[in-house]
This record gives sequence, structure tokens and C-alpha cells, in this order.
Amino acid sequence: QSALTQPASVSGSLGQSITIPCTGTGNDVGYYHFVCWYQHHRGKAPKLIIYDVSLRPSGVSDRFSASKSGKTASLTISGLQPEDEADYYCSSFTTSNGYVFGTGTEVTVL
Amino acid sequence: EIQLVQSGAEVKKPGESLRIQCKASGYSFTSSWISWVRQMPGKGLEWMGRIDPSDSYTNYSPSFRPHVTISADESLTTAYLQWTSLMASDAAIYYCGRHLNRGSGVADWGQGTLVRVSS
Repeated sequence: QSALTQPASVSGSLGQSITIPCTGTGNDVGYYHFVCWYQHHRGKAPKLIIYDVSLRPSGVSDRFSASKSGKTASLTISGLQPEDEADYYCSSFTTSNGYVFGTGTEVTVL
Repeated sequence: EIQLVQSGAEVKKPGESLRIQCKASGYSFTSSWISWVRQMPGKGLEWMGRIDPSDSYTNYSPSFRPHVTISADESLTTAYLQWTSLMASDAAIYYCGRHLNRGSGVADWGQGTLVRVSS
């Protein structure tokens, strides 16, 4: 099972919006509606910010939104804030009954 | 409050065995899958495998089977990640996590267990 493909880094200015793509295959992102996104500040546990393609857990800012089209999922962060600087990972359930993470994207707020 | 509390940092030698644990509380232990995730130094998150505590069904990433074993003890509401023979490349932070729903993402995470492997 190969990792889902994400850009290594994305940057944006304070207040701007950025979008992180996540490309998989027909055995993961393209098959299931079980795509999620995690925010990970180094040294801390990851945090679920999107599940089931586009749903936000309670307490997660509505500046985070996501969608999926075919084999590509996308996370959009609107109104970038300094605290958004982190690594972001997509993940999908797979036809092997397991999971796969994306390669990870480092977000920098300029 | 749902909590996953992992065992503390470990320092081991290559070839040694190790079992780290993930103690769950605040929910019905058998109602949610638990996954283990690795983060090697300077690298990304890697899904290792999961267990369904209701029937102990396990599923592993091909990258980790059969090097590790995932198990759970319902009476202790604890999940485990075990190695019989550690390698230097096993040095990493290991996280356990509880899935929100079957198939969905991990909603609750342990604090991570740092494993060092050095001769």
C-alpha cells in the first residue's frame, strides 16, 4: 500500500486561504468516503480535523473544510492563522481493510 | 472524558523484545477500533495496524507485518504493540488512537511512546 501523495510544503500569508491536495488510488481515496485529515504539531499527538471526507469534529474551527473528487481529496484552510502552522496529513480507509496516510504537508504562514 | 494513556519511553538494544501499551478509558473499549501509528525521526506518520477489541481481529500494513503484533485485553481496556526482536530502525514515536467510527479517522490519541533502540 503506497502512501497517498501530498505536496511537501504549502505556504500562505496571514488571512489567506490555502488548499492541500491528497491523491490516492481506486483502492483508497477513490473507493471509500472514509477520508480524513489530521493536523500535527511536532512533539504533540495528531489532531483529527476532518473525517468522512468533509465532516468536522466538534470544536474544530470552521476555517477548515474539505472535499473529494475521484481519487483526490482536498483540505482548505481559510483565513490562515499563525497557529495553523503544522504538518497536515490525509488518510483513507482502504480495500485491504486498513488505512494509509498521506506523505504529509508542512504549512507555513508567512 | 475519553483518554488513551500510553506507557513511558523505552531504551532498548537491538534484538531485545518490547511491549508498549495503550490504556483506554471513558468509553466502551469494545466499541471502537484502535490503531497504532509510527513516526520515525524527521518523517511522516505511518499506519501500522489496527485491532477491533470486540473480537481481537487485527489488520496490518504490509510494511509492518510480521515484525510487530497488535493485541488487546478487554478486561484491562488496554491495547498493546509488541516486538520480539527490535531493530535500530524501530526507533520512533509510536501513537495509539481510537477510531471515531468503523472506517473513520482516529478521534482520540495517546500521548505517544518514544522508543530508542541502540547498542
